[in-house]
Amino acid sequence: DAGITQSPRHKVTETGTPVTLRCHQTENHRYMYWYRQDPGHGLRLIHYSYGVKDTDKGEVSDGYSVSRSKTEDFLLTLESATSSQTSVYFCAISAEGGGFGGNTIYFGEGSWLTVV
Amino acid sequence: DAKTTQPNSMESNEEEPVHLPCNHSTISGTDYIHWYRQLPSQGPEYVIHGLTSNVNNRMASLAIAEDRKSSTLILHRATLRDAAVYYCILREGMNRDDKIIFGKGTRLHILP
Repeated sequence: DAGITQSPRHKVTETGTPVTLRCHQTENHRYMYWYRQDPGHGLRLIHYSYGVKDTDKGEVSDGYSVSRSKTEDFLLTLESATSSQTSVYFCAISAEGGGFGGNTIYFGEGSWLTVV
Repeated sequence: DAKTTQPNSMESNEEEPVHLPCNHSTISGTDYIHWYRQLPSQGPEYVIHGLTSNVNNRMASLAIAEDRKSSTLILHRATLRDAAVYYCILREGMNRDDKIIFGKGTRLHILP
């Protein structure tokens, strides 16, 4: 199994509070991703990173920010959590390299966030 | 938007082969075809991938159409543990900016 750790795994928070989810990898992979998953929507890309301090928006980035100050950590922050951000959040990583389109994507176990 | 189209759900009987289709009519020459599956309450896991030729591994086979506009994931003998959501995605192999978009996938039901 790829070395990906998400924390916290479960969190309940109140509307309006800031929340940070952490994705930590031990694989030294260049690419890191944050997805959210809701019933009927599949996996939707929030933000992704293609290197330290190189990040970009995904499909559903409003209300979220990210930071990547070192290769192994990718942080997802909800500045002011809303009930619509109640979801399961998955981190993913992937290596680079020649023809890297063939490289496997590895997922973390997920972080269950409930905003009340 | 996802670059692939899959049926929302499929059903199959246990111990029979399953063919999961995926359409990707706008695929480019450098796009790899990947399949992942997600078991209940787990993160997605890798199944198989290919570029042009058919591929086999211990989990499944991937059949790629000659024009590469569609592909089929083949589970040779389905078990109850294969009940999952299966995602077909394209990964562009040349850009530094590797934005990976998943669709809703196909929910596979296995009947005992």
